[in-house]
Amino acid sequence: DQQVKQNSPSLSVQEGRISILNCDYTNSMFDYFLWYKKYPAEGPTFLISISSIKDKNEDGRFTVFLNKSAKHLSLHIVPSQPGDSAVYFCAASKETSGSRLTFGEGTQLTVNP
Amino acid sequence: DAGVIQSPRHEVTEMGQEVTLRCKPISGHDYLFWYRQTMMRGLELLIYFNNNVPIDDSGMPEDRFSAKMPNASFSTLKIQPSEPRDSAVYFCASSVDRVNEKLFFGSGTQLSVL
Repeated sequence: DQQVKQNSPSLSVQEGRISILNCDYTNSMFDYFLWYKKYPAEGPTFLISISSIKDKNEDGRFTVFLNKSAKHLSLHIVPSQPGDSAVYFCAASKETSGSRLTFGEGTQLTVNP
Repeated sequence: DAGVIQSPRHEVTEMGQEVTLRCKPISGHDYLFWYRQTMMRGLELLIYFNNNVPIDDSGMPEDRFSAKMPNASFSTLKIQPSEPRDSAVYFCASSVDRVNEKLFFGSGTQLSVL
C-alpha cells in the first residue's frame, strides 16, 4: 500500500525555466510533509518542509505548495539550474502522533543547460 | 560534524553469504533508521531505533534480516543468508529527537548479491 506516490519517474526542463514536481498521498491523517534531494552516490538531503496548517512554504528558489483537499503537494523550483538535477523524494507523516516518515518513489529531475 | 557514516560503500557477495552493513549516526541524535532504496518501492523503512531500542521493525522483509544497536554510536544491519533480490542501496539515517523530523542520511551501501 503506497500511501505516498510520485507518479512521474522523470522530468526534464530547460535551465532557467520552472520545475514542478508532484506528489500525492492517500492518508488524510498526514499533516507534515518534506522534500528531499538525492544526488548519485550520496544519501538524500533535506530540502524543505511544510505543515498542514500552511498551504505554501518558500525557501529561496524552492517553494512547496500543499492542497489538503486534493491530498496533493508540489515542489516548484524557479529558476531551475543544472545543479538541481537529482532525484527528489517527497515524504509525509502524522506529526502530532509522532509517526515515522513515509517516502514516495522519487522523481528524477534533469535540468538541461 | 562528520555526518552519518556507513560502511562499506559497496558490497558484492554471493547468494547464501552473510552480509553485515554498518552505521555510525551523528553524535547526539536519538533516532536511527535503516532504509532500503529500490526502483519499484523508492525508500522503504526497514527498522528504526530510539535511544538504541528497536521501536518499529515492521518493514524488515524477512527473518533473514536483523538489526542491532549495541550503543548510541553504532548499528548493524545483517542479512543471512543473502539472496539476489536483496540487491539494493541501503541507507542509514539519524535524527535529533523526533521520528518524523528531517533525517540526516549516510551515503549508503550499494549491495549486490550474485
